[in-house]
Amino acid sequence: GDSVTQMEGPVTLSEEAFLTINCTYTATGYPSLFWYVQYPGEGLQLLLKATKADDKGSNKGFEATYRKETTSFHLEKGSVQVSDSAVYFCALSVVGSGGGADGLTFGKGTHLIIQP
Amino acid sequence: DGGITQSPKYLFRKEGQNVTLSCEQNLNHDAMYWYRQDPGQGLRLIYYSQIVNDFQKGDIAEGYSVSREKKESFPLTVTSAQKNPTAFYLCASSIVRGTDTQYFGPGTRLTVL
Repeated sequence: GDSVTQMEGPVTLSEEAFLTINCTYTATGYPSLFWYVQYPGEGLQLLLKATKADDKGSNKGFEATYRKETTSFHLEKGSVQVSDSAVYFCALSVVGSGGGADGLTFGKGTHLIIQP
Repeated sequence: DGGITQSPKYLFRKEGQNVTLSCEQNLNHDAMYWYRQDPGQGLRLIYYSQIVNDFQKGDIAEGYSVSREKKESFPLTVTSAQKNPTAFYLCASSIVRGTDTQYFGPGTRLTVL
């Protein structure tokens, strides 16, 4: 079945450090890939997405490139801020037999802590 | 403003009682989803619906039931058959068109005492 593997946390960085959170996937068919962010006690917010190989998603200084050859979608940011502290989820979606998405498959999440 | 609302934010129930979690969206999305989140386990799909009056089981449907009588509403009932119901429940919706983005509500934290 489909699966997403992302690095375990917590990841602790100092403010202005470079961030990489690794994400790899296995999927039948051609998935769309997503990064979601969750702040404490809240729902998930879409951070960025990519729908085909070599696409780069970007938002709020975060970037991720859909790499089909390595089945990866690593999240990067050049200079993190304290406000980036949250849990980050990598996810994929594949078109189901009904023609629509059957739901997202999530990684377990990476807790990011940014220290001032 | 368009969005997804879930109520209540916190819910407490006694063991053995059924409880229904509300999810409403005004985004005019056809598809709706329920996920369960447990610490360290990410999110897991409970049920999803791609159209009114139709829904499908996800990965962990046992002990749960849903209905989809209106496009805007997708309530989830946690029954007494669910062995470990204490969790954070998230509702989402998307336009049914391939692999469209899912948009999430704020969640309901259910605690069974």
